[in-house]
Amino acid sequence: SAVISQKPSRDICQRGTSLTIQCQVDSQVTMMFWYRQQPGQSLTLIATANQGSEATYESGFVIDKFPISRPNLTFSTLTVSNMSPEDSSIYLCSVDLDRVGEQYFGPGTRLTVT
Amino acid sequence: AQSVTQLGSHVSVSEGALVLLRCNYSSSVPPYLFWYVQYPNQGLQLLLKYTTGATLVKGINGFEAEFKKSETSFPLTKPSAHMSDAAEYFCAVSAQGAQKLVFGQGTRLTINP
Repeated sequence: SAVISQKPSRDICQRGTSLTIQCQVDSQVTMMFWYRQQPGQSLTLIATANQGSEATYESGFVIDKFPISRPNLTFSTLTVSNMSPEDSSIYLCSVDLDRVGEQYFGPGTRLTVT
Repeated sequence: AQSVTQLGSHVSVSEGALVLLRCNYSSSVPPYLFWYVQYPNQGLQLLLKYTTGATLVKGINGFEAEFKKSETSFPLTKPSAHMSDAAEYFCAVSAQGAQKLVFGQGTRLTINP
């Protein structure tokens, strides 16, 4: 298993600003994932982040809006840029340790945009 | 491509009763299947998974699920519900050899005393 922490746990931000979310894993992992969970909804994959390469974004998500960094095998950041109220969601990071799709999730960052 | 449909966005059972949460999947390749649970204000926790082999898989907290290939379903069951089982449950699928998970819409389980 893996222990994953995220910072901040929650934040309230003004529209038009940006927030960077950090994800820290207690072991080295190749693949990290970022998800969005809108209120009362399921999880939607934003992007897959591999160390040493550009993140791969899912349809409907773009790098300018959600830039991702992956500087090493235990850390990643997701930035939510130029925020609007529609960005109010829980953002979760996860890792896949064994390459069979079993992912371990962080506790999430609850973002409210006013 | 993979997709998941969870039948019933909200299920309510009495404490001690059988829990049955339904999940249908679509996959063009043999799937890996997962059930996750999300307690209020927490991240997701893996309940159980099916990859290959035995079609009946047991997970944590007394839950189990059966891979029913002919029905393309993966229902989650627990013989006797406990108040602590109240949570949101997500079924997910990935293609064998791939890491990307596709989640269902979730089922909120309520336990009545």
